[in-house]
Amino acid sequence: EIVLTQSPGTLSLSPGERATLSCRASQTVSARYLAWYQQKPGQSPRLLIYGASSRATGIPARFSGSGSGTDFTLTITRLEPEDFAVYYCQQYDNSPRTFGQGTKVEIK
Amino acid sequence: QVQLVESGGALVKPGGSLRLSCAASGFTFGDYYMSWIRQAPGKGPEWVSYISYNSGYTNYADAVKGRFTISRDNAKNSLSLQMNSLRVEDTAVYYCVRDPYTEVLTGFYDLWGQGTLVTVSS
Repeated sequence: EIVLTQSPGTLSLSPGERATLSCRASQTVSARYLAWYQQKPGQSPRLLIYGASSRATGIPARFSGSGSGTDFTLTITRLEPEDFAVYYCQQYDNSPRTFGQGTKVEIK
Repeated sequence: QVQLVESGGALVKPGGSLRLSCAASGFTFGDYYMSWIRQAPGKGPEWVSYISYNSGYTNYADAVKGRFTISRDNAKNSLSLQMNSLRVEDTAVYYCVRDPYTEVLTGFYDLWGQGTLVTVSS
């Protein structure tokens, strides 16, 4: 099974700042089968990015994904108040599909 | 509107059984692969099981294989998860989720229900 390790565990930033979240896979994720989700307290996860860099329907352009192989990044260019949440990466290259442990983006 | 609504979560003793249900609406349920994903408190999500759009294929995580059974009724737009021999480590919020493309298994999820809490404790 592919293990996804996200870093940092917590990111403390102010609104308007840039957030850079990392997701490292234990083996190559081919064809960029990597997704990112956002989860707010008491809510279910919401798909942000799939195919490593394609934004899901309705996702603002300030969210972008990049990377390939074993190293992937989610970037939020200018944090809005509603962006403070937990973010998970997920690979869908191999079975079982696996998720990272999450990065919490909190208000500094 | 397009939505998934889970039900059936409860407090159950170890070794007990529970059946979760998911009601789909606002889309052609019978065209999509569906899955159950669970999330233990304070943890990342964990894939549990999927079923193909026509029930021809199912797959399970090793942690639940032989204990859980996924099924669907396309005529009723419903998905189910029968959980037997429950363990403390099965405690989690269980989500019903949809693969984004019709008749294709991709393995990422564009539609999530609100979740139902299963607590296994004596």
